[in-house]
Amino acid sequence: AQTVTQSQPEMSVQEAETVTLSCTYDTSENNYYLFWYKQPPSRQMILVIRQEAYKQQNATENRFSVNFQKAAKSFSLKISDSQLGDTAMYFCAFVLHRDDKIIFGKGTRLHILP
Amino acid sequence: GAVVSQHPSWVICKSGTSVKIECRSLDFQATTMFWYRQFPKQSLMLMATSNEGSKATYEQGVEKDKFLINHASLTLSTLTVTSAHPEDSSFYICSAARDTLLYEQYFGPGTRLTVT
Repeated sequence: AQTVTQSQPEMSVQEAETVTLSCTYDTSENNYYLFWYKQPPSRQMILVIRQEAYKQQNATENRFSVNFQKAAKSFSLKISDSQLGDTAMYFCAFVLHRDDKIIFGKGTRLHILP
Repeated sequence: GAVVSQHPSWVICKSGTSVKIECRSLDFQATTMFWYRQFPKQSLMLMATSNEGSKATYEQGVEKDKFLINHASLTLSTLTVTSAHPEDSSFYICSAARDTLLYEQYFGPGTRLTVT
């Protein structure tokens, strides 16, 4: 069975700083997708970034980038120049290529301080 | 594009009554829709997967007779909580996926259910 582990329940950083959220996963499969979702206080789930396991290049989306280490089964999210609007719950998620069930981690609550 | 709506956004009902939550894909056809439940400060828990025109597939431990799911069209899925009890109070989120991109799910804004 696949599992996703987020070891940081809560984090706080000052505005404009860089912060890294950790995520590890476990699977015996080779083809899968990894995601980071953001859930702000509105509770709307927002896709932040997606990584295909077959791609070695780390995905980036503006201030958001990932460090994908397939052998180590690690998928961390880096937020650069953090902004107050980045305050949210962040979920790391995994789905097999042949499946449709997304497996979510327990989340990291991120506070950006002014 | 890829907008999913839910209605209502917040509902209060009395214990013993039933309540229906709608999930609509507004600008695409969703062959598969998913229903999640989220308790306060916790992660999303998949309740069931519904495919248009067929019976929903429920996750282990989810009572199919209590949580009735209907996916009548390619743009609408409904979740009916029957004989609701206070322990059914929760935040319910739906998501929708296109046929060829099942891993790419678009989430609705959620529905807060309070059973008194």
